[in-house]
This record gives sequence, structure tokens and C-alpha cells, in this order.
Amino acid sequence: EAQVTQNPRYLITVTGKKLTVTCSQNMNHEYMSWYRQDPGLGLRQIYYSMNVEVTDKGDVPEGYKVSRKEKRNFPLILESPSPNQTSLYFCASMGFVRGYEQYFGPGTRLTVT
Amino acid sequence: LAKTTQPISMDSYEGQEVNITCSHNNIATNDYITWYQQFPSQGPRFIIQGYKTKVTNEVASLFIPADRKSSTLSLPRVSLSDTAVYYCLVGDADDKIIFGKGTRLHILP
Repeated sequence: EAQVTQNPRYLITVTGKKLTVTCSQNMNHEYMSWYRQDPGLGLRQIYYSMNVEVTDKGDVPEGYKVSRKEKRNFPLILESPSPNQTSLYFCASMGFVRGYEQYFGPGTRLTVT
Repeated sequence: LAKTTQPISMDSYEGQEVNITCSHNNIATNDYITWYQQFPSQGPRFIIQGYKTKVTNEVASLFIPADRKSSTLSLPRVSLSDTAVYYCLVGDADDKIIFGKGTRLHILP
């Protein structure tokens, strides 16, 4: 089954404790992206990657890192999480056809205390 | 990157056809129009995409006039399960992707 998986689905952590949220897709897509969603602010893009070893900042990259060493994986790294990074995070992937036909993961709900 | 404008919310009744219009006055020649549906706490789901005229799939239809400055997502015979947020996006695969606030559709029994 074609899908995007994220782990963990739920995470509660403390300020400053480094964490990684994994994202993997099995559709051989070139494009992968991370979003965060907050009430009243909608979906905002954090980082995206158009292919292996190519990453670019989205609209809200501060406090996040990503890497794209393999085509299927695109982990999101929070080196020193803060409470304002409490949010619902989505990973997405897309093949390079025209437009924006993205496939989203199930989401990771992160709480930083 | 073309900016889009959609109604913040809409109400309709079960069994009705629902049309959600999106304005995108500065759409570029290469831009496609893409619509997503999102239920609470779930990732957005791709519904339909088009470039011009009309596109139809098993879920919805997308109407795009000749000037491409707007588009209309049409959902036939909606049910309660169509209550969701619907996002209109305009751009191409190598652009930054901006979702906006979307249209909150509420279907009433």
C-alpha cells in the first residue's frame, strides 16, 4: 500500500531535550516536506526537499533541522525543543508531476513542556 | 506564487451539491490548481487538480474558466462525512507550497 508513515504519532517531551520525528514514504517520490499545524494558523511549511541531499526552508524553519540522505526518508530534528514548538506535525511526499498532488502522513502530535 | 482567496466557512445540507469558489487573480502560466480535504487531526487528502476547463473524478469536479483567475470545486450530493476543511492551492511542483486557511464546510442533516 502506498503510504507515508511518521513516528512517533504522539510525543510529550521537555524543553531542550533533542528529538527526531521520522518520516518515510514507499512511493519513490522525489519531493518530501514537513508542515506544522496550529489552531488559527493553518498548515505552514517548515522544510522541503526536492531530492536526496537537497533541502530548502519553508515558511517557518526556525528551530528545526532536516536531512535527506535517502530518497524514502526525511526526518525532522528539533535540537532544543521549546514550548512554542508544541504542534501537530505532518510529513508529505509528492512525485514530480505537475501541480501539488501530495500524500500526507497521519501526523505527529508533539507537546513540549 | 499565486495567492488564493476562499470563503472562510460554508453550510449546506445533506444531498445538496456544494460549490466552493477560490479566487487566484495572479495565477501564473505554469500553475496548476489543486484542492485538498482535511478532517480534524488528520493529514490533508488530495481531492482533485486541474489546469483549465473541467476535471472530474469519483469524488468531485473542478471547474476552471478560460481566464483561470478562479476555480470552483463541486461536491455532488454531500453527506455528513463531507464536513471538513477544503484548501485551494495554486502553483507548480517546484514552488513553495502555501495552504492558507481553507474553507470550513459544515454539512447539516
